[in-house]
Amino acid sequence: GAVVSQHPSWVICKSGTSVKIECRSLDFQATTMFWYRQFPKQSLMLMATSNEGSKATYEQGVEKDKFLINHASLTLSTLTVTSAHPEDSSFYICSATRPGLAGKTDTQYFGPGTRLTVL
Amino acid sequence: AQTVTQSQPEMSVQEAETVTLSCTYDTSESDYYLFWYKQPPSRQMILVIRQEAYKQQNATENRFSVNFQKAAKSFSLKISDSQLGDAAMYFCAYRSADFGNEKLTFGTGTRLTIIP
Repeated sequence: GAVVSQHPSWVICKSGTSVKIECRSLDFQATTMFWYRQFPKQSLMLMATSNEGSKATYEQGVEKDKFLINHASLTLSTLTVTSAHPEDSSFYICSATRPGLAGKTDTQYFGPGTRLTVL
Repeated sequence: AQTVTQSQPEMSVQEAETVTLSCTYDTSESDYYLFWYKQPPSRQMILVIRQEAYKQQNATENRFSVNFQKAAKSFSLKISDSQLGDAAMYFCAYRSADFGNEKLTFGTGTRLTIIP
């Protein structure tokens, strides 16, 4: 099956620093990737839609200057949390859309997530 | 905007028994997709089953099947012969069929416990 990786799987940083999270589609090209945030025991909340070669589309309430998204290639999207603060601590999950084959609908595959802790 | 509601925060079932997880949604669109995702303790989201709204036939994947009632906007998941590995959070999700609008809207999830 399709594989999406995320790196790092967990990161601890000091308040005020920036952290970059990578999302890669390993065996397919993804024109669209998504970034989600998940708080403990809660659902996934979409943060932004990342399209290769264009600016990301952010959901309402998500600060685009704080959560920088770059989709530089068809297999890589990055999320940078700038000037991180303790309230940014969360589980961040990416997903990538694999185009459908032979008339089938595309499918969204998820990365394993990144746990960010800001001290 | 579309909404997805899962009214059962927690469910439990005896191993080898059958359990049904509920999901309702609200949309004004006529064509869309519905999904059930599983999130085990590893937190890796795994696609369990999907349903195209234009299809009347309910989707099935081995022990997993859905009861899709389009008029009622209901999309329940039935797990037959429950196994210990089925223990996880289950999320119902909605996606528009509009080209270029692939984002998923998730429900709040149901935590399923399997009793040995």
